[in-house]
Amino acid sequence: GQNIDQPTEMTATEGAIVQINCTYQTSGFNGLFWYQQHAGEAPTFLSYNVLDGLEEKGRFSSFLSRSKGYSYLLLKELQMKDSASYLCAVRDWRRDDKIIFGKGTRLHILP
Amino acid sequence: DAGVTQSPTHLIKTRGQHVTLRCSPISGHKSVSWYQQVLGQGPQFIFQYYEKEERGRGNFPDRFSARQFPNYSSELNVNALLLGDSALYLCASSLVTGASTDTQYFGPGTRLTVL
Repeated sequence: GQNIDQPTEMTATEGAIVQINCTYQTSGFNGLFWYQQHAGEAPTFLSYNVLDGLEEKGRFSSFLSRSKGYSYLLLKELQMKDSASYLCAVRDWRRDDKIIFGKGTRLHILP
Repeated sequence: DAGVTQSPTHLIKTRGQHVTLRCSPISGHKSVSWYQQVLGQGPQFIFQYYEKEERGRGNFPDRFSARQFPNYSSELNVNALLLGDSALYLCASSLVTGASTDTQYFGPGTRLTVL
């Protein structure tokens, strides 16, 4: 089977740094995605990790540890527009490379 | 270049009716996937099509069906609508399927309300 866990909600302050964790259990790991989704809108692609380590893209970074089944998304210099849900998703090669999503973490940014 | 497009944006139906949702992928993308997202949850996989063939199916009843056309656009059909089918239906396109670096890009979604 497959299980993806991430916190339901988080709150952070404008200008600060926040780390959103994701743990997963899958027998056929073939990559991990992070998507951002504003309320009422479609998810937009943020990052992709398939090898261990940190991928940095501007204010956003994503980390992966395959041995621990763990990833995090790091958001720096938070802005009010970063208030959104952040979805962790895993591709499973044992399931025809289907991408399975977690329930998402709703991030609230306070001024 | 245009992104993934979906139509209609909003739809209201009554129980027992049938609905058809449409999706056009990014130009050059050959794979289309459909997801259902209910409020407060992540997207749930329904179907994936690649080169007009079904490549994967999620845990949804036979009331849900889909197809992909020669121009790679796709339709999702839902018969005998239930109240629980109310959700945001998302279409995602990708260049190929099975490639480890392949990324899915989502359309704006169709908001379906079943009364």
